[in-house]
Amino acid sequence: EAQVTQNPRYLITVTGKKLTVTCSQNMNHEYMSWYRQDPGLGLRQIYYSMNVEVTDKGDVPEGYKVSRKEKRNFPLILESPSPNQTSLYFCASSFVGNTEAFFGQGTRLTVV
Amino acid sequence: AQKVTQAQTEISVVEKEDVTLDCVYETRDTTYYLFWYKQPPSGELVFLIRRNSFDEQNEISGRYSWNFQKSTSSFNFTITASQVVDSAVYFCALSEPPRGGATNKLIFGTGTLLAVQP
Repeated sequence: EAQVTQNPRYLITVTGKKLTVTCSQNMNHEYMSWYRQDPGLGLRQIYYSMNVEVTDKGDVPEGYKVSRKEKRNFPLILESPSPNQTSLYFCASSFVGNTEAFFGQGTRLTVV
Repeated sequence: AQKVTQAQTEISVVEKEDVTLDCVYETRDTTYYLFWYKQPPSGELVFLIRRNSFDEQNEISGRYSWNFQKSTSSFNFTITASQVVDSAVYFCALSEPPRGGATNKLIFGTGTLLAVQP
């Protein structure tokens, strides 16, 4: 089954404790990205990757890192999480060229 | 600047009513894509439709229909005979053709929460 898998689905952590949210897709998509969803703001792009070893900032990259060592995986790293990073995070993947984006199930992160 | 506006923050209807969700977009490009996604209470994003800027035909899928009007930069979504299961947040989104590194980026509206009462 074609899917994008994020883990964990829910995470509560403390300020400053490094964490990683994993994202994996099985559709051989070149393009992967991370979005955060906040009330009243919709979804905003954090980082994206055009292919292996090619990543770039989206609209709200501050406080986040990503890596793309393999085509299928695109982890989101919060080196020192802060409460303002409490949000619902989505990973998405697609073929390059504005085709339908496949979204993961979402990760609800709370930083206290 | 590219922007998607969903002016309706919340809509409440009674089951079997028809409801239209509005979406207005701004873009400099002549080639672009428009999308609607549904986010049920469980939180996942469900793809509903993609429309490219050269195809202004209205689309109907069961109880769902979409009205795309380039003249008013709108891509409205109508649910006919609404049901409780339609209760969700609905997002309209805009995607533009590749430009430098900005390919495939989706620009989302702020969403409309639809509550269908039994």
